[in-house]
Amino acid sequence: DGGITQSPKYLFRKEGQNVTLSCEQNLNHDAMYWYRQDPGQGLRLIYYSQIVNDFQKGDIAEGYSVSREKKESFPLTVTSAQKNPTAFYLCASSIAGTSGSNEQFFGPGTRLTVL
Amino acid sequence: AQSVAQPEDQVNVAEGNPLTVKCTYSVSGNPYLFWYVQYPNRGLQFLLKYITGDNLVKGSYGFEAEFNKSQTSFHLKKPSALVSDSALYFCAVRDTAKNAGNMLTFGGGTRLMVKP
Repeated sequence: DGGITQSPKYLFRKEGQNVTLSCEQNLNHDAMYWYRQDPGQGLRLIYYSQIVNDFQKGDIAEGYSVSREKKESFPLTVTSAQKNPTAFYLCASSIAGTSGSNEQFFGPGTRLTVL
Repeated sequence: AQSVAQPEDQVNVAEGNPLTVKCTYSVSGNPYLFWYVQYPNRGLQFLLKYITGDNLVKGSYGFEAEFNKSQTSFHLKKPSALVSDSALYFCAVRDTAKNAGNMLTFGGGTRLMVKP
C-alpha cells in the first residue's frame, strides 16, 4: 500500500447523501484510477485520470464523479444517483505512458456501506 | 474487447506443495498480463507482469507465471506453498491492439487457501 493513502477506511452513508472518498499519492505518478470491488467479482473501473485536470469515464461511471486538480489527489464522490453504492473502493496510481505496460499501485481501500 | 477468466473460485493446497492459480485471457492484439494479490481488507499488491520476452516471468515472494500464447494462458505458480500465501489473487490483462484502450481488465479473483 505504500505511497497511496485512502480515507476514511470505513464510511457509512444514508440514503440520498453524497459522500467523498479521498485518495492521495506521493509517488509522483501521473495516472490515477478508481475501482469498485464487489464480493465474488473482479475490480471494475469507475474513472481514471492520466494527467492533471483531465479524467475519463470507466466502465461503471454512472452515479460517480471525480476531480483531478492536483497531481497528488484524485477524490471520488459517490452521489445519490448511485443506487447500489455499498462496496469496497480502491484507488490506484501508475506511471503514465501510452504503452500501458506499467503496473498499478493500490491504496488500502475504503469500505462504503449504505445505511 | 479484452477479457480475462479465472476459472477457479478457490484453490486449496497443502503447505509445502506446489500451487497453480489459473488465468486465461482474450485479446485482439498482444497482451500485457499482470498478477496481483490481495490480503483481507487491503489493497492489491503487484506480483509480476509479462510484457514481452521470456515466457517465464519471476516475481515477488517466490511466485512465477508462464505466458502461453497458444493456450492464451498466464498461470501463476509457486514451487512450495506457504500458509502466508493464503489470499485472493487477481489476473489482469491489457490488449495492445490499436484502439483497444489503455486500461486493465481484471479477472474475478481466485481465493488460495494453504493449509498447514
